Amino acid sequence: ETGVTQTPRHLVMGMTNKKSLKCEQHLGHNAMYWYKQSAKKPLELMFVYSLEERVENNSVPSRFSPECPNSSHLFLHLHTLQPEDSALYLCASSQDGVYEQYFGPGTRLTVT
Amino acid sequence: GEDVEQSLFLSVREGDSSVINCTYTDSSSTYLYWYKQEPGAGLQLLTYIFSNMDMKQDQRLTVLLNKKDKHLSLRIADTQTGDSAIYFCAETNTGFQKLVFGTGTRLLVSP
Repeated sequence: ETGVTQTPRHLVMGMTNKKSLKCEQHLGHNAMYWYKQSAKKPLELMFVYSLEERVENNSVPSRFSPECPNSSHLFLHLHTLQPEDSALYLCASSQDGVYEQYFGPGTRLTVT
Repeated sequence: GEDVEQSLFLSVREGDSSVINCTYTDSSSTYLYWYKQEPGAGLQLLTYIFSNMDMKQDQRLTVLLNKKDKHLSLRIADTQTGDSAIYFCAETNTGFQKLVFGTGTRLLVSP
């Protein structure tokens, strides 16, 4: 599936670093999402953007900062992360009013 | 809040049927989904069911919904080694943007 791409695929960062995750969708959708996937825990919805406006922020710590410059691109800016933030971060997109979300392959983040 | 639960692991032999179960707490769920995640990949929608249905069949996949017990199952007939993956149950009652996922069930298919 190349409809939703994410870069980088793997990222190792120290707790004092600043990095960004990038997501791009080539499907013409108008909603984009960030999810966190940790081992043995349900997928956690972090942020939802619809028509480039943030419509959901699930009590995510401020060390995670999303940005949606247009309907095709979504970023997750990271700073001062904790080891418990290590996880797979998944991006998804959908078309408003349509039931299916399309997922990217994820970025495996390790915080040391 | 809403909760979706799944068993963590299922092992079957190639050619057998697999049944993956899911329970949910939200009685007002409108759509229920099954997603598949292969190693190194994102989630892929396999099938979904509306809450006013009790069964849906799609080739080798059969979804059963028991609304009274809030129980959803996915049956895979003639399971193949390529079906080895993590299967996620999800539900929504607030629109398609807010899905509540289970922990996922890892299916291992042995030859």
